[in-house]
Amino acid sequence: DGGITQSPKYLFRKEGQNVTLSCEQNLNHDAMYWYRQDPGQGLRLIYYSQIVNDFQKGDIAEGYSVSREKKESFPLTVTSAQKNPTAFYLCATQARGRTDTQYFGPGTRLTVL
Amino acid sequence: AQSVSQHNHHVILSEAASLELGCNYSYGGTVNLFWYVQYPGQHLQLLLKYFSGDPLVKGIKGFEAEFIKSKFSFNLRKPSVQWSDTAEYFCAVSLLGTYKYIFGTGTRLKVLA
Repeated sequence: DGGITQSPKYLFRKEGQNVTLSCEQNLNHDAMYWYRQDPGQGLRLIYYSQIVNDFQKGDIAEGYSVSREKKESFPLTVTSAQKNPTAFYLCATQARGRTDTQYFGPGTRLTVL
Repeated sequence: AQSVSQHNHHVILSEAASLELGCNYSYGGTVNLFWYVQYPGQHLQLLLKYFSGDPLVKGIKGFEAEFIKSKFSFNLRKPSVQWSDTAEYFCAVSLLGTYKYIFGTGTRLKVLA
């Protein structure tokens, strides 16, 4: 089905390596978000973008970077500076209008060995 | 700082039992309120939402929630749970005038057949 695609579903990396997680959407939504989900901590906002070529830090942006060169794409790079990168990462989108619902992708589980 | 509290981290019920999951938020301004559900192996999806109007909102699969402004609460209820309701439930608040969502830590519900 269409909507929001995150790839890959599972990702393994060695400690010290940067890794980029993909998020693509065909919903024509303006805003895109990256969250990190850890057991017992809910969803925590990493970065979000309201418009192409613009993005803002969320609550836990340290050790992460993003780009928004196209409306459809919002890749997240987990850098070696992120102290505890093993987690489940969720991408979300939201249509224009600040009262709209967020829609979530299937997520990527990153394990750093 | 704004926050969302979910009081029950784990709930175990038998089928046909009634469910109430608590959610409180700390923010003095206008908010939009959401409950999301994550079934095992599935995307996070919207269960119901409150933007304005009738404080009792109905969602999918027989769920409802009541917004009590004076208590800063948005509790989720279902009169009779089913085994298929086994999932993790997240309360979320979006702050009017921003694109930012704040999620609670989640409640894992297990329904015994």
